[in-house]
Amino acid sequence: EDKVVQSPLSLVVHEGDTVTLNCSYEVTNFRSLLWYKQEKKAPTFLFMLTSSGIEKKSGRLSSILDKKELSSILNITATQTGDSAIYLCAVGAAGNKLTFGGGTRVLVKP
Amino acid sequence: DAGVIQSPRHEVTEMGQEVTLRCKPISGHNSLFWYRQTMMRGLELLIYFNNNVPIDDSGMPEDRFSAKMPNASFSTLKIQPSEPRDSAVYFCASSYGALNTEAFFGQGTRLTVV
Repeated sequence: EDKVVQSPLSLVVHEGDTVTLNCSYEVTNFRSLLWYKQEKKAPTFLFMLTSSGIEKKSGRLSSILDKKELSSILNITATQTGDSAIYLCAVGAAGNKLTFGGGTRVLVKP
Repeated sequence: DAGVIQSPRHEVTEMGQEVTLRCKPISGHNSLFWYRQTMMRGLELLIYFNNNVPIDDSGMPEDRFSAKMPNASFSTLKIQPSEPRDSAVYFCASSYGALNTEAFFGQGTRLTVV
């Protein structure tokens, strides 16, 4: 059974802090790892990492895939209150199957 | 494109009633996913389709749940009979391609079974 585990479950930081979120996985026929941000409603896509693209960056957010360790981290620098959300990690496997982790709830205080 | 469209947005029903959730994926996408999200269990994959064919339904909780995709532009998730523990937000998502690409989510259906 495919498994995706995220840590920590939740964290509280203050504006300007840096946060690091972790995602580890055990899946058959790994294809990709995706990060999503979920605020009030549906998850919205942030990054996709594959064997040919193990590092992505967009503004204050960056992510790295470690295929050897079967894990990924998502970094958010200079956090803002608008970064408060649940961050979801998903792993894509053969046949387009997409399995999500339980998410990390991030609260950024002013 | 209007994105993934789900209906209804909210559903309140009594235990034992049949519930049908609907999803219209993004045009051209060939994979469709049904997820259930609760505080306790997070986002769980229930079933997914590839080219309208169910590929993996191992996440469907029990026989009370069924899903269909009669064509590329429509899918349903049915619960019969519904139970209070089925209360959750149900998301439909779609993606394109033989290799995994990002899945786009609908706004979800919040189901409450009383």
